[in-house]
Amino acid sequence: DGGITQSPKYLFRKEGQNVTLSCEQNLNHDAMYWYRQDPGQGLRLIYYSQIVNDFQKGDIAEGYSVSREKKESFPLTVTSAQKNPTAFYLCASRTGLAVYNEQFFGPGTRLTVL
Amino acid sequence: EDKVVQSPLSLVVHEGDTVTLNCSYEVTNFRSLLWYKQEKKAPTFLFMLTSSGIEKKSGRLSSILDKKELFSILNITATQTGDSAVYLCAVASHMDSNYQLIWGAGTKLIIKP
Repeated sequence: DGGITQSPKYLFRKEGQNVTLSCEQNLNHDAMYWYRQDPGQGLRLIYYSQIVNDFQKGDIAEGYSVSREKKESFPLTVTSAQKNPTAFYLCASRTGLAVYNEQFFGPGTRLTVL
Repeated sequence: EDKVVQSPLSLVVHEGDTVTLNCSYEVTNFRSLLWYKQEKKAPTFLFMLTSSGIEKKSGRLSSILDKKELFSILNITATQTGDSAVYLCAVASHMDSNYQLIWGAGTKLIIKP
């Protein structure tokens, strides 16, 4: 089955720790995205990557880092510099063709800082 | 600054009612407007609208876009408890090779039995 997987589903972190959220897709999509969602709010873009070995900051990149070494994988690291990391994190992907605008989402990771 | 505004922010109706959700936008380089349904986890894609006045329909859900007045509506008829979700609207913007989705805050819909 084609799709996007994220792991873990739930993650607990102590203050001051870095954590890495996994995102893998087997849809052969070129572009991948990381969003953060807080209660009662829409999706805010953290980072995105349109091709392998390239990525761009979104609207709220501070305190986060990413890598795109493989087409299938786009891990997100939440660093200790992120002041309020407790949130629901969604990974999405999209074919690179301009005519296709919809993004497909993974199931999300809920991160809680203790 | 590009923005997408959804209204109402939340809505509670009874099963069987018809609801209309609104999405207005101010986005440069508009390409399309997308509706998603989000239950507990990942948003799932509902519709993509690119042309004004052409209704997209899927079962009890339908949506239409007005590019002159810069808004879209999502209608759900004969609502069921399974329609309870957050409905997200997003606008795709393209400039050169730069594509982005601008998201609204969502409408939380609760259907009471």
